[in-house]
Amino acid sequence: KQEVTQIPAALSVPEGENLVLNCSFTDSAIYNLQWFRQDPGKGLTSLLLIQSSQREQTSGRLNASLDKSSGRSTLYIAASQPGDSATYLCAVRKQAGTALIFGKGTTLSVSS
Amino acid sequence: DAGVIQSPRHEVTEMGQEVTLRCKPISGHDYLFWYRQTMMRGLELLIYFNNNVPIDDSGMPEDRFSAKMPNASFSTLKIQPSEPRDSAVYFCASSPSGRMAYYGYTFGSGTRLTVV
Repeated sequence: KQEVTQIPAALSVPEGENLVLNCSFTDSAIYNLQWFRQDPGKGLTSLLLIQSSQREQTSGRLNASLDKSSGRSTLYIAASQPGDSATYLCAVRKQAGTALIFGKGTTLSVSS
Repeated sequence: DAGVIQSPRHEVTEMGQEVTLRCKPISGHDYLFWYRQTMMRGLELLIYFNNNVPIDDSGMPEDRFSAKMPNASFSTLKIQPSEPRDSAVYFCASSPSGRMAYYGYTFGSGTRLTVV
């Protein structure tokens, strides 16, 4: 059974700092991996999606990497801003026709 | 497209009452998922459909929960009778298939259910 773990559970950093959020999964046979952002009391917004054949994806200040063989993904946020404060969720999909399995998230707080 | 639409946004009900949550997926998406989010357990998959057919309902907690998808544009999640431990945020998500699966999931804004 696939399990997704995110460490740390919470992270506080000052504005401007570069940071890395970690995600690990127990079964390396995945179809894709998706990073989401969730603001308090809100739904999930997709940030980046990495297919199993890809190594990384970039969007603005965000860069997500995937190392399938080791069962790891990282989300790199450059020059963090207070507006980046949110919970970041990692999720993996085993096959195209299956459901995403989520980690419990990392709650990020960026202070100005 | 307006995205995945869920209703109601908030629901407060008394224990023992029936609760129905509704979801309209994105047009053209043939997968629909229901998730439940709590502080303790995070996001848990309850059930998902492909082309209106339930594929995996192993996450449905017990017989009090049921879900239907009568057509490609509408799904319901029903809890009868509701209990305080059902209090959570319920999310609906949809996804395309085939080559379009490349684009992943889109989530609705969720329904916050409180059972008192």
